[in-house]
Amino acid sequence: EADIYQTPRYLVIGTGKKITLECSQTMGHDKMYWYQQDPGMELHLIHYSYGVNSTEKGDLSSESTVSRIRTEHFPLTLESARPSHTSQYLCASQSSGNTIYFGEGSWLTVV
Amino acid sequence: GENVEQHPSTLSVQEGDSAVIKCTYSDSASNYFPWYKQELGKRPQLIIDIRSNVGEKKDQRIAVTLNKTAKHFSLHITETQPEDSAVYFCAASRGGADGLTFGKGTHLIIQP
Repeated sequence: EADIYQTPRYLVIGTGKKITLECSQTMGHDKMYWYQQDPGMELHLIHYSYGVNSTEKGDLSSESTVSRIRTEHFPLTLESARPSHTSQYLCASQSSGNTIYFGEGSWLTVV
Repeated sequence: GENVEQHPSTLSVQEGDSAVIKCTYSDSASNYFPWYKQELGKRPQLIIDIRSNVGEKKDQRIAVTLNKTAKHFSLHITETQPEDSAVYFCAASRGGADGLTFGKGTHLIIQP
């Protein structure tokens, strides 16, 4: 089934650890996004990509990095996690008709 | 760039009443206006959208209206039900390679 998948769904890690959040979509969309969202709050755009080998920073300053080596994959990496990174991270992709489809989210807790 | 303002931030209505959420946008070139619903613990999902060549669109109990002159658009939910309780996000886009600019969200609470 065409969808957007995120792993892990839930993660608790220690301060200073490196973490990669995986995102893959099977819809063939070129444009992909990462948003950070605290529960019930606004969506903050942290990274986006127009396609393979394209990555851009979003509106919210972030200490994370992304890569786009394949159309389907758009992983997000935190080199050194801090408690302030505790949040939900939503991956999304955009159709040619501009509709954005979200993944189920990765809930990150840094202790 | 585009700026989208959404009001109110919280809306409480009695079950069965109507709810209206309003958004304004700044970029007159925007031509696509979707609404997303995010239930507690779930991902945002598209519930309805409208493009600039249309003034109103309906889907069962929900409708969206667009006023391009005033640069505002609204979500209307009639005969509200408990399952309508969620956070609703409006968004605007110029289309093409542009992404969506989201409003800050409205918490809709349906009182029994």
